[in-house]
Amino acid sequence: KQEVTQIPAALSVPEGENLVLNCSFTDSAIYNLQWFRQDPGKGLTSLLLIQSSQREQTSGRLNASLDKSSGRSTLYIAASQPGDSATYLCAVKSGSEKLVFGKGTKLTVNP
Amino acid sequence: DAEITQSPRHKITETGRQVTLACHQTWNHNNMFWYRQDLGHGLRLIHYSYGVQDTNKGEVSDGYSVSRSNTEDLPLTLESAASSQTSVYFCASSETHGEYNEQFFGPGTRLTVL
Repeated sequence: KQEVTQIPAALSVPEGENLVLNCSFTDSAIYNLQWFRQDPGKGLTSLLLIQSSQREQTSGRLNASLDKSSGRSTLYIAASQPGDSATYLCAVKSGSEKLVFGKGTKLTVNP
Repeated sequence: DAEITQSPRHKITETGRQVTLACHQTWNHNNMFWYRQDLGHGLRLIHYSYGVQDTNKGEVSDGYSVSRSNTEDLPLTLESAASSQTSVYFCASSETHGEYNEQFFGPGTRLTVL
């Protein structure tokens, strides 16, 4: 059974800092990995999707990497801003169309 | 623009009542999903559908049912609401198969069962 873990559960950084969020999964047989952002009281917004054949994806200040063999993904946020404060979730898609989610990392960027 | 909508956004009901949460997507996606999100548990899959007339149970399906009569809609029914079903419910959809098929989420429905 696929399990997804995100560490740390919460992270607080000063504005402008570069930071890395971690995601690990137990079964390396995945189709893709998706990073989401969730603001308080809101739905999930898809940030990046990495296919199993890819090593990384970039969107603006965000860069996500994938290492299937070690069961790890990282989300790198450059020059963090207070507007980046949110909970970040990673999810993996294995043999079916279903996603298995981690519990998220709550990020606070302090001005 | 294509989107997923959920209604109602907030619902308060009493124990034992039947409740139906609506989900409507205009992406024309075959796959649709219902999740619940609770503190300490994260997002858990309730039911999902790969197309019209297809429904499948997820990891927390007890007390819930779905039906898929068209591509756009997947209503979630709580047959007899229980306090343990107080939660935030999210609907999602995705294209069929392939490595590159993002799931897109609705805004959520906050359900309180008193």
